Amino acid sequence: NAGVTQTPKFRILKIGQSMTLQCTQDMNHNYMYWYRQDPGMGLKLIYYSVGAGITDKGEVPNGYNVSRSTTEDFPLRLELAAPSQTSVYFCASSYSIGISEAFFGQGTRLTVV
Amino acid sequence: ELKVEQNPLFLSMQEGKNYTIYCNYSTTSDRLYWYRQDPGKSLESLFVLLSNGAVKQEGRLMASLDTKARLSTLHITAAVHDLSATYFCAVGSPNFGNEKLTFGTGTRLTIIP
Repeated sequence: NAGVTQTPKFRILKIGQSMTLQCTQDMNHNYMYWYRQDPGMGLKLIYYSVGAGITDKGEVPNGYNVSRSTTEDFPLRLELAAPSQTSVYFCASSYSIGISEAFFGQGTRLTVV
Repeated sequence: ELKVEQNPLFLSMQEGKNYTIYCNYSTTSDRLYWYRQDPGKSLESLFVLLSNGAVKQEGRLMASLDTKARLSTLHITAAVHDLSATYFCAVGSPNFGNEKLTFGTGTRLTIIP
């Protein structure tokens, strides 16, 4: 059972480049999330989705975009990367946030130089 | 804005001792989650607390929720080295959309032999 799978695990970007962080879950969960974690800090919500075709902003959405065309996939797009986007990014999914916990992927460590 | 505060932020304790981590939050909620994160790793769900007075125990860890006081505690009994990790609480609130979890900044726990 793969759970939540993120790719890549590590990436170095130059300022101004763009990239997509991939996230796939095989648990048929409706809810999916993208968080970022800065060193020594908690997690900040970037975007979330309550089902295919539905996305909404979290606390820190600027500089990011998402899409949810299928239940399984929730990619995060970084446009015009900036050093402030250096962070560890976690994707998570949940069957229903009111009942069950969120399951997290292994994270993507992104450095923008 | 929903605020979630944990204390202490850092905790060193000797093996065999007991201690409590506190999680306070700023608005109405009956959904609280505890997670564990090992260095460089993802987040692992520990407890899901969904009602006032909820208490859950797993091994040497016990979590409780007091929705009236807007407080959750994570109690560690007779600590062992394997419990060294960072512990996060996360809160979902109907005032801010239950789908969105707000995380505390974490408590970095170090168990000293």
